[in-house]
Amino acid sequence: EPEVTQTPSHQVTQMGQEVILRCVPISNHLYFYWYRQILGQKVEFLVSFYNNEISEKSEIFDDQFSVERPDGSNFTLKIRSTKLEDSAMYFCASTESLYRNTEAFFGQGTRLTVV
Amino acid sequence: AQKITQTQPGMFVQEKEAVTLDCTYDTSDPSYGLFWYKQPSSGEMIFLIYQGSYDQQNATEGRYSLNFQKARKSANLVISASQLGDSAMYFCAMRYSGAGSYQLTFGKGTKLSVIP
Repeated sequence: EPEVTQTPSHQVTQMGQEVILRCVPISNHLYFYWYRQILGQKVEFLVSFYNNEISEKSEIFDDQFSVERPDGSNFTLKIRSTKLEDSAMYFCASTESLYRNTEAFFGQGTRLTVV
Repeated sequence: AQKITQTQPGMFVQEKEAVTLDCTYDTSDPSYGLFWYKQPSSGEMIFLIYQGSYDQQNATEGRYSLNFQKARKSANLVISASQLGDSAMYFCAMRYSGAGSYQLTFGKGTKLSVIP
């Protein structure tokens, strides 16, 4: 069964450093998303991406964050100048279409720890 | 604003018994989809079941069924014949067709513990 793949599974970084989280969405999917889950809290939407541009972003997704699809297969989330409160599980997801019944496939997540 | 409410932070169920996890939602959009995801302790998000706002029948997927009461804006997940492997966090989520909004909005989740 096709799956969304995220790397690394766990990243530890020092406060102020930049991190790049990587995702390989399912190959025929066109819409990509990043979500964040702070430990013990609900999953929150960060950004959606389609046709090489951001479709929508939440208020969490400020200038510290950026996304890109550098090579047609990878989908990356860059966090500049990380803060302690950026520590969370980051999920990548992809969908085949935008119909309301379309299941979002999630990757296994990257646990980011900022120290 | 769209909102999902899960009022049960934690639930216990005896193995082989059925359990209902509550979910209520709030939206003014007539077209929306409701999803349930399972998150085991390993952290991944696993899709369980989907219900569309226009679907006439309640969704079922194996041991999972969705008790959809549109007038009450509730979409409760029913797990029949609970198994130890069902112990996990369960999230209700909504996707609605408002202009430009395609993301999932999640509830806070319910932690289900299955007791042998």
